[in-house]
Amino acid sequence: EAQVTQNPRYLITVTGKKLTVTCSQNMNHEYMSWYRQDPGLGLRQIYYSMNVEVTDKGDVPEGYKVSRKEKRNFPLILESPSPNQTSLYFCASTLSGGWNAPTDTQYFGPGTRLTVL
Amino acid sequence: GEDVEQSLFLSVREGDSSVINCTYTDSSSTYLYWYKQEPGAGLQLLTYIFSNMDMKQDQRLTVLLNKKDKHLSLRIADTQTGDSAIYFCASAGTGANNLFFGTGTRLTVIP
Repeated sequence: EAQVTQNPRYLITVTGKKLTVTCSQNMNHEYMSWYRQDPGLGLRQIYYSMNVEVTDKGDVPEGYKVSRKEKRNFPLILESPSPNQTSLYFCASTLSGGWNAPTDTQYFGPGTRLTVL
Repeated sequence: GEDVEQSLFLSVREGDSSVINCTYTDSSSTYLYWYKQEPGAGLQLLTYIFSNMDMKQDQRLTVLLNKKDKHLSLRIADTQTGDSAIYFCASAGTGANNLFFGTGTRLTVIP
């Protein structure tokens, strides 16, 4: 089954304790992206990757890191989480070309709800 | 980045039509999308419209695009309780690296 998986789905942590949220897709997609969803703000892009070893900042990259060492995985790293990073996080992938790709090849993961105390 | 705006709440009675409105700022937007998010769930792509179209119909869903006013709407005919969810419009700007989302409209269907 074609899908984007995220782990963990739920996480409660404390300020300053490094964490990684994993994202994996099994469709050989080139483009992957991370978004955070906050009430009243919609979804905002954190980082994106057009292909292996190619990553770039989105609209709200501060406090986050990513890597794209292999095509299927795009982990989101919070080196020193803070309470303002409490949010719902979504990973997404498309076949190529980002968001102008044919719409039947875009997928969102199920989301990771992160709480930083 | 682009600004995409939606009203936050909409309530309709079951069986009525729902119209969710969205405005965007980037006149070069190519694809415009509508997503549905049910409680505790991820995003489900409902429909989309390409920027050279005025209207698209897909079963109970009708998307209208007014490029001059940069206004997008989603009409749901015969709204059912299962349509209760948050609906996001989103715009793929030039370069396609980002998808700009609206704030989401919470649709509540009253039985």
